[in-house]
Amino acid sequence: DTAVSQTPKYLVTQMGNDKSIKCEQNLGHDTMYWYKQDSKKFLKIMFSYNNKELIINETVPNRFSPKSPDKAHLNLHINSLELGDSAVYFCASSQERLAVNTGELFFGEGSRLTVL
Amino acid sequence: LAKTTQPISMDSYEGQEVNITCSHNNIATNDYITWYQQFPSQGPRFIIQGYKTKVTNEVASLFIPADRKSSTLSLPRVSLSDTAVYYCLVGDMYRGSTLGRLYFGRGTQLTVWP
Repeated sequence: DTAVSQTPKYLVTQMGNDKSIKCEQNLGHDTMYWYKQDSKKFLKIMFSYNNKELIINETVPNRFSPKSPDKAHLNLHINSLELGDSAVYFCASSQERLAVNTGELFFGEGSRLTVL
Repeated sequence: LAKTTQPISMDSYEGQEVNITCSHNNIATNDYITWYQQFPSQGPRFIIQGYKTKVTNEVASLFIPADRKSSTLSLPRVSLSDTAVYYCLVGDMYRGSTLGRLYFGRGTQLTVWP
């Protein structure tokens, strides 16, 4: 069973289109994230939700809009796609730990977006 | 949040021990040190975490000196399958709001040769 699953794995589209990437986790975690990894392997946080509430919203164009229908799902919608949006997008999840100051991120396998 | 510095790439041969050092000069008292491993076409995965001294698990060892301004990930007897990018992260990791902001950087590309 895949703990954090993303769909689609590959996405090729034209500039100006709108697309969505879906993410689901079956770990029972309360926090989910979207990261963007560029061609130089930099992995940067975009958004995070805790129990459906937005807790991290980094400097990302407002063409990107996350949506969390429940704590097991966090989808990413991108409007008016641009060439620079081409990257691998990773979803991740974690569980808030109340007593221990450690934490672990569980990542999906990534969704490679190519904008032509 | 603490930023980290690690070598961009390293090469090794099968059977050798590999040590990857990460610098984190502005580490805070509550910060933990975590290493992630990323294989091509996969998401990063947690391999080891520590606060001070030495931590060992079935995959790796993590050495942290007393001043905690650096840490060394040690991979014993690497194989071809250890070829991956290794990320060092430093910070407060128990809240999602801080865990998510940890700096991944570019990581260290380890290539293991036969």
